[in-house]
Amino acid sequence: SQQGEEDPQALSIQEGENATMNCSYKTSINNLQWYRQNSGRGLVHLILIRSNEREKHSGRLRVTLDTSKKSSSLLITASRAADTASYFCATVNNNNDMRFGAGTRLTVKP
Amino acid sequence: NAGVMQNPRHLVRRRGQEARLRCSPMKGHSHVYWYRQLPEEGLKFMVYLQKENIIDESGMPKERFSAEFPKEGPSILRIQQVVRGDSAAYFCASSLGQGRTYEQYFGPGTRLTVT
Repeated sequence: SQQGEEDPQALSIQEGENATMNCSYKTSINNLQWYRQNSGRGLVHLILIRSNEREKHSGRLRVTLDTSKKSSSLLITASRAADTASYFCATVNNNNDMRFGAGTRLTVKP
Repeated sequence: NAGVMQNPRHLVRRRGQEARLRCSPMKGHSHVYWYRQLPEEGLKFMVYLQKENIIDESGMPKERFSAEFPKEGPSILRIQQVVRGDSAAYFCASSLGQGRTYEQYFGPGTRLTVT
């Protein structure tokens, strides 16, 4: 069954704005990962955040993790049209089971 | 360094035929994972293999589906007697280390259409 659940399902913003996507999960995790999928392409790994970490940055990406609320957020700052894609969170539990959510479809309008 | 390769990219099969999907992991990677993505849904794990071993096939349907990762050559996902419900994108990923705490690198996927 699906573990991570992304919210919102779809997000449309203007270039230059920030985009925030959330992921909630139900069971304990070892780490949580965010992936991007451009239309018709495979997944690209963005960031991995471990359960003992609270925040990670990579370029214009910022990921937070709140294990008490079992939620994570992905923030893309100063968005560009090229950021248009689907974004998936994936949780990995302590048995090394990996589960993906259904994704958030982000559209950045030029 | 070539990434994960999958072929074919698109595969059309009639109901009842067999589908063979191939995945060549990144150089140096000996761990391969197969996922299925139905339209409008996220990826669902199917099977995790190391060379010559199936480690975890908990996500794979018990009938008609099989996977292998031989000592030499690509990993193969085989679907026998395909049905319309098998139409999906199948992604393979490879990683360097054991378990799923290592980053997985994904291939471009094979889109299977069953007519």
